[in-house]
Amino acid sequence: GQQLNQSPQSMFIQEGEDVSMNCTSSSIFNTWLWYKQDPGEGPVLLIALYKAGELTSNGRLTAQFGITRKDSFLNISASIPSDVGIYFCAGPSYSGAGSYQLTFGKGTKLSVIP
Amino acid sequence: DAGVIQSPRHEVTEMGQEVTLRCKPISGHDYLFWYRQTMMRGLELLIYFNNNVPIDDSGMPEDRFSAKMPNASFSTLKIQPSEPRDSAVYFCASSLRAGGVYEQYFGPGTRLTVT
Repeated sequence: GQQLNQSPQSMFIQEGEDVSMNCTSSSIFNTWLWYKQDPGEGPVLLIALYKAGELTSNGRLTAQFGITRKDSFLNISASIPSDVGIYFCAGPSYSGAGSYQLTFGKGTKLSVIP
Repeated sequence: DAGVIQSPRHEVTEMGQEVTLRCKPISGHDYLFWYRQTMMRGLELLIYFNNNVPIDDSGMPEDRFSAKMPNASFSTLKIQPSEPRDSAVYFCASSLRAGGVYEQYFGPGTRLTVT
């Protein structure tokens, strides 16, 4: 199936710094989603993108749907300690069994140093 | 509003035993998904239902795994017999087609340990 490559795999930043992470694929996606997972919890949807070139914000988070439709970016401004967690990108891919299903990247683990 | 509810939160069992995981989706949602998360393989879709009907079970690892959705408010994932390699966190998620089937709401997960 299609794979999503996230980078960086992990990052350590100082509180107050801005963060950038991205997700790439060798195949075109028509939808991109970004989720955040806190330790011991399930992923929580942050932002959904449906149109190439789309730029969408959710508070201090901003995500972009790349114009090639093969990548997406997530930025966090002025990071705070509660931003700690694992950020996943996801997109629908054909399962080969007649349906589409969400494929998830391996995640970017964010640590914030107070 | 209550989110997706899963039980138990933790399950420790011995190899060969039957394990049943339970999920209550968000009321009104018409899609239900079962995922498995491991360090090695990340988040993988096992099976999903639409209006209580299984649509795609291509992710179910083998015949030891089975899932049912007898009604719109309840689903189970059963492993029989369980093996140590089944140890993982199992998530249930639900979504609403009208709101975007891919905008999925996840439960807190069940951490399964098979010894």
